[in-house]
Amino acid sequence: AQSVTQLDSHVSVSEGTPVLLRCNYSSSYSPSLFWYVQHPNKGLQLLLKYTSAATLVKGINGFEAEFKKSETSFHLTKPSAHMSDAAEYFCVVSAANQAGTALIFGKGTTLSVSS
Amino acid sequence: SQTIHQWPATLVQPVGSPLSLECTVEGTSNPNLYWYRQAAGRGLQLLFYSVGIGQISSEVPQNLSASRPQDRQFILSSKKLLLSDSGFYLCAWNKGVGEKLFFGSGTQLSVL
Repeated sequence: AQSVTQLDSHVSVSEGTPVLLRCNYSSSYSPSLFWYVQHPNKGLQLLLKYTSAATLVKGINGFEAEFKKSETSFHLTKPSAHMSDAAEYFCVVSAANQAGTALIFGKGTTLSVSS
Repeated sequence: SQTIHQWPATLVQPVGSPLSLECTVEGTSNPNLYWYRQAAGRGLQLLFYSVGIGQISSEVPQNLSASRPQDRQFILSSKKLLLSDSGFYLCAWNKGVGEKLFFGSGTQLSVL
């Protein structure tokens, strides 16, 4: 069975410092992995996705994530946080099986950025 | 605690048949309710959202409709399915616009 665990419910950083949002997954099949962001008063936006190509995936707004199969992790990082990065972040695993393709959402990590 | 239920988990339907996907939320009142779809190779797309009973907003023109007959019940329907309706459908809820979203387990719909 597929599952995804976001290890931190809340992360607080200062503007200009690195961001690390952690995500571990479990999948019986070759997974596709995604990070979505939800800004206050806005809908979900796709940040980046991994679909078995390069293990280091670059997304929008300077974010990137590295797929590590040995650690079953897909952590999201950014070298320097900006105030506008404050939002809710969801790690998502998509795994194909005989029935089709399912999306499993993590519980989300709230990122706070202080000046 | 709040929980969200979505069913069925998988559905295979012929072209032209009707559709009804149901979503219910427990443990809260007057939630905002959402239907999302992910088509193959694409991100999540918001289809409908509702801020109250009988209040439905549609984000994209399509072959689908939504209804909210009760406070914590959200139904996605179609009178005649198209091949392009195939995809993964997710129900979600939150306390209000911009609040954290909580997702159902999803429905994989295959239209053949």
